[in-house]
Amino acid sequence: NAGVTQTPKFQVLKTGQSMTLQCAQDMNHNSMYWYRQDPGMGLRLIYYSASEGTTDKGEVPNGYNVSRLNKREFSLRLESAAPSQTSVYFCASSPLGLTEAFFGQGTRLTVV
Amino acid sequence: DQQVKQNSPSLSVQEGRISILNCDYTNSMFDYFLWYKKYPAEGPTFLISISSIKDKNEDGRFTVFLNKSAKHLSLHIVPSQPGDSAVYFCAAYKDSSYKLIFGSGTRLLVRP
Repeated sequence: NAGVTQTPKFQVLKTGQSMTLQCAQDMNHNSMYWYRQDPGMGLRLIYYSASEGTTDKGEVPNGYNVSRLNKREFSLRLESAAPSQTSVYFCASSPLGLTEAFFGQGTRLTVV
Repeated sequence: DQQVKQNSPSLSVQEGRISILNCDYTNSMFDYFLWYKKYPAEGPTFLISISSIKDKNEDGRFTVFLNKSAKHLSLHIVPSQPGDSAVYFCAAYKDSSYKLIFGSGTRLLVRP
């Protein structure tokens, strides 16, 4: 049982480049999330998808877009990467509600 | 506006002793509080939670206490073990919301 799988694990981008972070879960969870973790800031919610077919903004959505492709997959896109988007990105999923969210291993993104 | 605060960035305790990690919050509307544990290069993993209608929840060596009047919760680990060395995040959310709000984390070091 893989749980939540994120790809890639590491990425270096140049300013202005675009890329998509992929996330897939095999637990049949309804809800999926994208967080970023920065030193001293904890995890901050970027976007979430309460259920298949819906997406909503979190605390820090600017510069990002998301797609809930199906129940399993939730992708995060950076259209024009900026150095301020250097961070570790975590995808998570949960059954209905948030009593327990399961996280992927993270994607370490550096924008130079 | 940081709704969930962990004011101690780090904590060091001797193996076998008690570890107490603290968390304060400002939003009295939170319904659930959770603790996550994170090892380097891994995603956070759920540890223990507590509903706002309770003041204590226990799971093995881990106990979470909630003081609603003080808007304060704490995680007690007894006895502490070297394998408990990790970053601990406090998190909270309001029922019917999909926004899990995290604190900035406390790095726990358990010395052998």
